[in-house]
Amino acid sequence: EAGVVQSPRYKIIEKKQPVAFWCNPISGHNTLYWYLQNLGQGPELLIRYENEEAVDDSQLPKDRFSAERLKGVDSTLKIQPAELGDSAVYLCASSYGGGELFFGEGSRLTVL
Amino acid sequence: KQEVTQIPAALSVPEGENLVLNCSFTDSAIYNLQWFRQDPGKGLTSLLLIQSSQREQTSGRLNASLDKSSGRSTLYIAASQPGDSATYLCAVRADYKLSFGAGTTVTVRA
Repeated sequence: EAGVVQSPRYKIIEKKQPVAFWCNPISGHNTLYWYLQNLGQGPELLIRYENEEAVDDSQLPKDRFSAERLKGVDSTLKIQPAELGDSAVYLCASSYGGGELFFGEGSRLTVL
Repeated sequence: KQEVTQIPAALSVPEGENLVLNCSFTDSAIYNLQWFRQDPGKGLTSLLLIQSSQREQTSGRLNASLDKSSGRSTLYIAASQPGDSATYLCAVRADYKLSFGAGTTVTVRA
């Protein structure tokens, strides 16, 4: 069974440019999470979806970040415009309800 | 707010030694606790999930214990190998919110 799939794995952009990350969760997992991880730190939640509904987006910087989960499956996280401080790893994870959490390989963003 | 702490931040042991990794949390009203492994440049790989009603969980050389009343979990890795070198993170779930520790980076010397 395929795990959580993310793309791209790496992205380098100039500041003020837009960037988008895509996530395909494990089949059947209704809960999808986007996390941000800085070097040497644990992941921090950006947004959590239950099916297609964003149920916790309190930590998402809504002035520049947006996310969507169409049809309750795949999800896209967008940043526009990107800032230098956005350089980090963006992790997608999925679970069935409050069960075991599974992560993708992450998308490493470098903003120059 | 749940605070999760992992001490020490880094650990180096000779091959064959047993590893003991600690995770402490401030709010004992948890749903479950999960241990992860993270290799450099990679995502997090789930190792063990302990439900709040359980005291321990085992998988191969790994054993995780949970003491909710004292706010602690311990991950034991028996007979460490160089391939066990990685960062180990714990995450505590309460009401669908997960709180992560910063991790313990383990180096197993051959």
